[in-house]
Amino acid sequence: DIQMTQSPSSLSASVGDRVTITCQASQDITKFLNWYQQKPGKAPNLLIYDASNLETGVPSRFSASGSGTDFTFTISRVQPEDIATYYCQQYDGLPRTFGQGTKLEIK
Amino acid sequence: QVQLAQSGAEVKKPGASVKVSCKASGYTFTSYDINWVRQAAGQGLEWMGWMNPNSDTAGYTGYAQKFQGRVTMTRNTSISTAYMELSSLRYEDTAVYYCARGHYSSYWFDTWGQGTLVTVSS
Repeated sequence: DIQMTQSPSSLSASVGDRVTITCQASQDITKFLNWYQQKPGKAPNLLIYDASNLETGVPSRFSASGSGTDFTFTISRVQPEDIATYYCQQYDGLPRTFGQGTKLEIK
Repeated sequence: QVQLAQSGAEVKKPGASVKVSCKASGYTFTSYDINWVRQAAGQGLEWMGWMNPNSDTAGYTGYAQKFQGRVTMTRNTSISTAYMELSSLRYEDTAVYYCARGHYSSYWFDTWGQGTLVTVSS
């Protein structure tokens, strides 16, 4: 199985801050990576697909990049509604696997 | 709009089976895979497998090895509903189970059900 490692596991930011989350794959997955947001008590929501493509309707403050084994996810100016846990997910191989998640809190 | 509506919470005893349903609306059910992902309390997301509801493929499925032999994914195309049955339940199967629509060959999951809590308790 392809292992996905996210860091940090949690972070605290002020409104308006720029935050970055990293995701590292255990092998080369080219660009086959997605990012999800999960708010407390809710189902996950797709934000980014194919490493850098913004899903329709997702605010432009969310962005992502990377290829190979190293990927980054950025929120340019954090908003209060961004409180959530963020997950990366690879689709280069089976089973599909997720990172362990990064919990974002607002200071 | 595209929606997936799941069945309600279940409480089962160890060794029993549970069957969770996922009713699709707002799109052509047979055109997209249905995936199942579970999440134990306070834990991350775990992919269980997928099913292609297309009748031409007789509901082709692919399961994570961890669940092989215990999970069965089926569908009823006449009512646009997918099912996930998990057998030989253990305490550690207690989790929220989500269905999710797979885009292309389940590369990413663009629509999720609301989740179904399955509790395994004696």
